[in-house]
Amino acid sequence: QVQLTESGPGLVHPSETLSLTCTVSGFSLTGYSVYWVRQPSGKGLEWMGRMRYNGDTSYNSALKSRLSISRDTSKNQVFLKMNSLQTDDTGTYYCTRYNRYNSGSPDYWGQGVMVTVSS
Amino acid sequence: DIQMTQSPPSLSASLGDKVTITCQASQNINKYIAWYQQKPGKAPRLLIRYTSTLESGTPSRFSGSGSGRDYSFSISNVESEDIASYYCLQYDNLPLTFGSGTKLEIK
Repeated sequence: QVQLTESGPGLVHPSETLSLTCTVSGFSLTGYSVYWVRQPSGKGLEWMGRMRYNGDTSYNSALKSRLSISRDTSKNQVFLKMNSLQTDDTGTYYCTRYNRYNSGSPDYWGQGVMVTVSS
Repeated sequence: DIQMTQSPPSLSASLGDKVTITCQASQNINKYIAWYQQKPGKAPRLLIRYTSTLESGTPSRFSGSGSGRDYSFSISNVESEDIASYYCLQYDNLPLTFGSGTKLEIK
């Protein structure tokens, strides 16, 4: 069945770089896009960017200067790197599959990984 | 960016009530709106896509409607398991944008 699993450090120091991995199963990264969404604690959801099924990337303009998304299709993994982290980057980070069939929309989500930015 | 104005921020309902949440987009989103349920400590769960298509496993008491800029999401016969926050998402244009959420509580 479709699964997405985020992994990465729980604690990052201010000004450092966050590196997260989304490992997927049950579908191919060359057939489906993967999006990253984050949620500050107790707050709403923010779309960060995407790795399209064809290898193209798109980013939220608010994060574009700090954000990079890449993938390794042989390992079924999508990577997020975001630099110059600050305390307001603290929150839960999710990867989600975008189902471009059947009128689209993100459908399956990972369980999320909590990231705390603190010295 | 398309702004999604979601209301109300919170709802208090009795079991068996019908509740409705609305989302207004800052421009026409061509029915590309999805609705998610999120329980504390959990990832969002897709309930409805493309305005009114129920995702597999979504109970029939959930429904969605709308067009253009204005969309609504309803739960008829609210059950205790429906206690959660609900978010709309427009996916017509990048960046995808979410509504600010509605927290449903039971009276």
